[in-house]
Amino acid sequence: QFQLVQSGAEVKKPGASVTVSCKASGYSFMYYGLSWVRQAPGQGLEWMGWISAYDGKTNYAQNFQGRVTMTADTSSSTANMELRSLRSDDTAVYYCATSLGTSEGYYFDLWGQGTLVTVSS
Amino acid sequence: DIQMTQSPSSLSASVGDRVTITCRASQSINNFLNWYQQKPGKAPKLLIYTASILQSGVPSRFSGSGSGTDFTLTISSLQPEDFATYYCQQSYSTPRITFGGGTNVDIK
Repeated sequence: QFQLVQSGAEVKKPGASVTVSCKASGYSFMYYGLSWVRQAPGQGLEWMGWISAYDGKTNYAQNFQGRVTMTADTSSSTANMELRSLRSDDTAVYYCATSLGTSEGYYFDLWGQGTLVTVSS
Repeated sequence: DIQMTQSPSSLSASVGDRVTITCRASQSINNFLNWYQQKPGKAPKLLIYTASILQSGVPSRFSGSGSGTDFTLTISSLQPEDFATYYCQQSYSTPRITFGGGTNVDIK
């Protein structure tokens, strides 16, 4: 059974950093890329970036350049997303998601359960 | 980046209604368009990929069409479990994907 299991909720102060983890199981982690998507309360989905689990290559959304770092550890089949210099508007649910499908196109057919990050003084 | 515009942003419908949601891309994305359903407190669920292919396990009342810049998601007969928010997502510029703003479908 394919699964992405994320770490638990976090509460952080403005200016701090947070790391959210995403552990994969049921598939060959190193052969698939993984994206991070966030959703602020009552808002839509926002793509943050992507990492290749194979070689660690990353591609970050412009909104997060310089503030986010994504890593992947093939030995533990775990991806991590660190977001720094947190602001109140970073309060959101953060999802990891991947595309395991063999058809053409990049579509998220496997999602983590989401991690709520609350930024508050 | 490619911008995705969904319309309407919300709609009210009754069980049994035919519902259509549209998604427009800021440039041609061929057929690299996916649709998701999201219910409160849950992760999005893939419904349709590559514009018109139904994901395994998704009821056949859902269908997708379009190519280039204009796409539609149709629910042929709305069921109680279909009240949710729907998002389109382009994958033409993979891995730099973008989502539409979402369409909330609620009960009339």
